[in-house]
Amino acid sequence: GAVVSQHPSRVICKSGTSVKIECRSLDFQATTMFWYRQFPKQSLMLMATSNEGSKATYEQGVEKDKFLINHASLTLSTLTVTSAHPEDSSFYICSASFWGRGTEAFFGQGTRLTVV
Amino acid sequence: GQQLNQSPQSMFIQEGEDVSMNCTSSSIFNTWLWYKQDPGEGPVLLIALYKAGELTSNGRLTAQFGITRKDSFLNISASIPSDVGIYFCAGQLGTSGSRLTFGEGTQLTVNP
Repeated sequence: GAVVSQHPSRVICKSGTSVKIECRSLDFQATTMFWYRQFPKQSLMLMATSNEGSKATYEQGVEKDKFLINHASLTLSTLTVTSAHPEDSSFYICSASFWGRGTEAFFGQGTRLTVV
Repeated sequence: GQQLNQSPQSMFIQEGEDVSMNCTSSSIFNTWLWYKQDPGEGPVLLIALYKAGELTSNGRLTAQFGITRKDSFLNISASIPSDVGIYFCAGQLGTSGSRLTFGEGTQLTVNP
């Protein structure tokens, strides 16, 4: 149990376009989902925390108008990178957690975004 | 955000050897988690620790939650080539749904 599915796994887009990444909890209801960004050979950097039905909480330095997060249901959160630029190229990972399991978070497979 | 101090940064070992890595923090955590990340994949949970002093095993992996609540270690016994990857520790202060603080990672290479 506790499977988190992230889609797409890889995406290449042109500069100036927007890209949507989906994060789904397949066998549990995720009360909280997290979005991370990871640069090569570095640790995970938390971008934002989203709770179902409420606005996401963004970390300092993360542009909320650039990285739109929607957590419309207990099983789905989306991250939209708007007007993407080459510097937005990165590995984006979501995680989900829920009450009753313990406190650990479960991660999606990640999305490799390349902006050309 | 706050980072945990994870060491070593990298390790190169021979197959069959034991491995130990640890994380320390200046602040306490209520939960310690250990993850493994393969290239191009998301982290996979290995072991979760919920109580100070707790020692937990998962196959060849053993992890402990330090008594001070500011540190944790992970041991891998009799390493095999598929143990290759990046290992991250993560601390959590709050209850379920609260954010994780990650260590910088330990890159493990196992030579056959």
